Amino acid sequence: EPEVTQTPSHQVTQMGQEVILRCVPISNHLYFYWYRQILGQKVEFLVSFYNNEISEKSEIFDDQFSVERPDGSNFTLKIRSTKLEDSAMYFCASNNGAGVSEQFFGPGTRLTVL
Amino acid sequence: LAKTTQPISMDSYEGQEVNITCSHNNIATNDYITWYQQFPSQGPRFIIQGYKTKVTNEVASLFIPADRKSSTLSLPRVSLSDTAVYYCLVGEADKLIFGTGTRLQVFP
Repeated sequence: EPEVTQTPSHQVTQMGQEVILRCVPISNHLYFYWYRQILGQKVEFLVSFYNNEISEKSEIFDDQFSVERPDGSNFTLKIRSTKLEDSAMYFCASNNGAGVSEQFFGPGTRLTVL
Repeated sequence: LAKTTQPISMDSYEGQEVNITCSHNNIATNDYITWYQQFPSQGPRFIIQGYKTKVTNEVASLFIPADRKSSTLSLPRVSLSDTAVYYCLVGEADKLIFGTGTRLQVFP
């Protein structure tokens, strides 16, 4: 069964450093998403991406964040200058149609900012 | 976006049926109701979606009354592996807005 994969599973970084979180969505999916979940809190939408551009983004997704689909398979989330409060699980998700609620989530990357 | 309200936690025993009710009083005409499951340290997983009446799949059933102001996720004969957080979502399909969910604990 196809699945969304994410690397690394755990990333530790120093405050102020740049990090890139990587995702490989399911191959025939066209819509891609990033969510985050701070420990013990709810899952929060960050951004949706379709046709090589951002469809929608939340207030969390400020200028420090960017997304990219550098090739036909990867989807990345970059945080330019990490802050302590960026520590969270980051989940990538994908689906194959607009208006389809079933999103397939990856296993997540745990980001720890020291 | 429709706000959802669900119990913070529920306990059950193996083999029992579990019903988790979600309130969404200001659901819009075009909104679907979707339920996700999340295990610790994993991403959410889609369980079921419905618009009205009853929907059933191999995992669960979803009951939606005519006024659509609430919905009930029914898990038949739960096992220990059903211990998870269950989220009720209502609204835009492209941007999933998660609440705090219902933490279901299944005991032997």
